[in-house]
Amino acid sequence: AQKITQTQPGMFVQEKEAVTLDCTYDTSDPSYGLFWYKQPSSGEMIFLIYQGSYDQQNATEGRYSLNFQKARKSANLVISASQLGDSAMYFCAMREAQLGNQFYFGTGTSLTVIP
Amino acid sequence: EAQVTQNPRYLITVTGKKLTVTCSQNMNHEYMSWYRQDPGLGLRQIYYSMNVEVTDKGDVPEGYKVSRKEKRNFPLILESPSPNQTSLYFCASSSTQGFYEQYFGPGTRLTVT
Repeated sequence: AQKITQTQPGMFVQEKEAVTLDCTYDTSDPSYGLFWYKQPSSGEMIFLIYQGSYDQQNATEGRYSLNFQKARKSANLVISASQLGDSAMYFCAMREAQLGNQFYFGTGTSLTVIP
Repeated sequence: EAQVTQNPRYLITVTGKKLTVTCSQNMNHEYMSWYRQDPGLGLRQIYYSMNVEVTDKGDVPEGYKVSRKEKRNFPLILESPSPNQTSLYFCASSSTQGFYEQYFGPGTRLTVT
């Protein structure tokens, strides 16, 4: 079974609108971390936001927020007030803390912001 | 400047010719890792290391070797490259204190003909 599933290969959003990128995960480890990374067309990987499995509140970082629904095993990224510079690939990732600290990435979602 | 460096950035080689991709970090991070990125497959972890002399297999270790003799360096070795190892490779490092935010190198584009 896939550890991280991103079901949206491509998404479009109007500039200044909000967009949600979906991510579901699968783990039996009670202690895990969830990450979102951005990869612009230039290729570098940029860390956006982190959510720990024991965190009670949803993580937020500026225009990024993580909608963490533990029972549903989902960790969706919400980008508010989209900007043209948000056009990029977005990857969801997970680290299993007790099962060896291996990282798992999803297949990514390509986001295009339309002016 | 805190960074992860990889060399070379681009490499074209032939099947069977041994090669090494170097990775170095200057942040005194304990955790280092190698990934390959292929279209439609995302990033897949090849090997990772929790500290010096400690390495573990990730999801796709076949055909690769690593070593961690020094904390700052984590080279990726392809003993006998094959065309299916043509990919974009990323090295990353993180501290084991906190949540393991990974810092990525710029990537190495490898083509095996």
